[in-house]
Parts: sequence; C-alpha cells; structure tokens
Amino acid sequence: SYELTQALSVSVTLGQTARITCVGNNIGSKNVHWYQQKPGQAPVLVIYRDKNRPSGIPERFSGSNSGDTATLTISRAQAGDEADYYCQVWDSSTGRHVFGPGTKVTVL
Amino acid sequence: QITLKESGPTLVRPTQTLTLTCTFSGFSLSTSGVGVGWIRQPPGKALEWLAVIYWDDDKYYSPSLKSRLTITKDTSKNQVVLIMTNMDPVDTATYYCAHRPSEYSGYGYWGQGTLVTVSS
Repeated sequence: SYELTQALSVSVTLGQTARITCVGNNIGSKNVHWYQQKPGQAPVLVIYRDKNRPSGIPERFSGSNSGDTATLTISRAQAGDEADYYCQVWDSSTGRHVFGPGTKVTVL
Repeated sequence: QITLKESGPTLVRPTQTLTLTCTFSGFSLSTSGVGVGWIRQPPGKALEWLAVIYWDDDKYYSPSLKSRLTITKDTSKNQVVLIMTNMDPVDTATYYCAHRPSEYSGYGYWGQGTLVTVSS
C-alpha cells in the first residue's frame, strides 16, 4: 500500500520560513492535501490539491509538489502556527486515502 | 454552512462492536462527487484514515482494518454510520468524520471528534 514519510519535527525562528516535506513514491503525480492540527482540536485543511488555499487560510501558507516530494511552506512563521501538520493523498489505484505520520512544528 | 457531528458510545468493552454515527448538515450526500470519511487518532498519535463513502454508494476501507469495518449512509437522514467489530484497547482513539466535496479535494470540513475508550 502507498506510504508517506514526514520528518518528526521542524523548528523555525519567529518570522522565518518553515518547510515541511512529505515524501512518497512519485507523489508528484498525486493531489496532496495538508492539514494543521492544534492540541485538542480537529484538523484544519490548509492546502488542497498541492498548492491551493481554502478561504480563510493566510497567504503565508503555500504548497508545492514534484517528483517524490511535496512541500508545505510557512512564511513569516508566527507563534500561532505551532501545530502538527499532516499530508494526505488519495491513492487512485485503490480508492483509499493515506495520511502521513505528521510533523510537529515549533516556533522558537 | 457545513457541519458534521459524531455520536456514539464513549466506552466500549473489548470484543464488542462499535457503532458511530456522523450527522451532517449543509450538504447532500446525493450530490455528485461528495464523500464522507472516517478518520481516527489514538491519544498522542497520528491521524489514521479508516473509510469513506461516496454519493454513489462507493465505499473504500483501510486495508489493515477492512475486515472489521462497515460504512453506510442514510441520505434522507443526512447520516453516515461506521461499524467496527471486535474492538480492542488499541482502538482507543478520537474518531472524526469529515466531508470531502470531490475526489480531487481534501477533507475540508471535520466534526469535533468523539473519544472512544476500549476497556474492560
């Protein structure tokens, strides 16, 4: 079955840029979605279909996807961006959805 | 405005069957492309996708849990039901249902989640 790999944690200095990667076999051929989850809360979709932001999500959040790696970029990181971030794809060959293991982002 | 809410027992005994209901509003599960999925999260751990059902009654399950899961929908009641058999303490988790507007979209709306504890 299709698997995704994410770094366990990423640290970023306040105001700087954080990059969170999601690695999967030829992930560039799939639509990647990203979720932000803060403690005690349900996940929130922050990027869909590789690079699109839902309404209400700041422009500081952006995404890209190519080859075997998809990337979520958080520009001008704020304290409120501290959260777990999960990537997710739909495996069209099986109809099943897959979540990555999640990356904890800490803003220093 | 799309909303979803999970309901069901908070405590289940080992070997019992869990039945969770997702009641939603603001969309119809008879609209082309729409799906409702179930995702769970054990305490302190990652999200795990369980199952999804689509407007046309297509259903897909996590390979590792397929034998224990059944997902159904009642379009007239705006509900999706997830049944999980033979519950074990490792199934203790917060269970979420979520809305997916099309096959190319992520889960844009989530319920608040319901914590299910499996213990004797």
